[in-house]
Amino acid sequence: DVKVTQSSRYLVKRTGEKVFLECVQDMDHENMFWYRQDPGLGLRLIYFSYDVKMKEKGDIPEGYSVSREKKERFSLILESASTNQTSMYLCASSLVGDGEQFFGPGTRLTVL
Amino acid sequence: ELKVEQNPLFLSMQEGKNYTIYCNYSTTSDRLYWYRQDPGKSLESLFVLLSNGAVKQEGRLMASLDTKARLSTLHITAAVHDLSATYFCAVDMDTGNQFYFGTGTSLTVIP
Repeated sequence: DVKVTQSSRYLVKRTGEKVFLECVQDMDHENMFWYRQDPGLGLRLIYFSYDVKMKEKGDIPEGYSVSREKKERFSLILESASTNQTSMYLCASSLVGDGEQFFGPGTRLTVL
Repeated sequence: ELKVEQNPLFLSMQEGKNYTIYCNYSTTSDRLYWYRQDPGKSLESLFVLLSNGAVKQEGRLMASLDTKARLSTLHITAAVHDLSATYFCAVDMDTGNQFYFGTGTSLTVIP
């Protein structure tokens, strides 16, 4: 079974802090994705990556950056956290050409 | 830009009843996925529909895809309380497997 893990289930940070959210998948998937989910807004794509050291902006990249140094790991970085970044963050991965995305358990981030 | 619309957004139904959730999308695609999300949890894959006319069934849920109408349906038969969750459809534009998600349908099954 595909396993996607995220470093934290719950995280509380202060405004202005630098925040790292880590995602690891164990099925050698090329594609990895970061979404945020907010009530009434559904899932919105922040960034995705097709390969190591490769990244593409999604629909809402402002205030975020990403890093993919190894195939299995995709990190989301909030350079200076703000209260409007309080949200549920979901990581997903998929095989190129296969399509189906497998999701991690999510990280609920609160920025105070 | 691809738009994916689900309806209804909220659905309250009695146990034992049947109902259908609709997912419409705005441009050509022949790949559609259904996911389930329980409160506070992540998304769990339910169905993968990869061609026109595809039909998949699992227990009380059945999903179908009509690519010509740009429509997918998720049919619930004889609902039970355990089906209470939020259901999302997602369309794959096949441009690198980027998904476009519907807004979700929050289903509550009342005993």
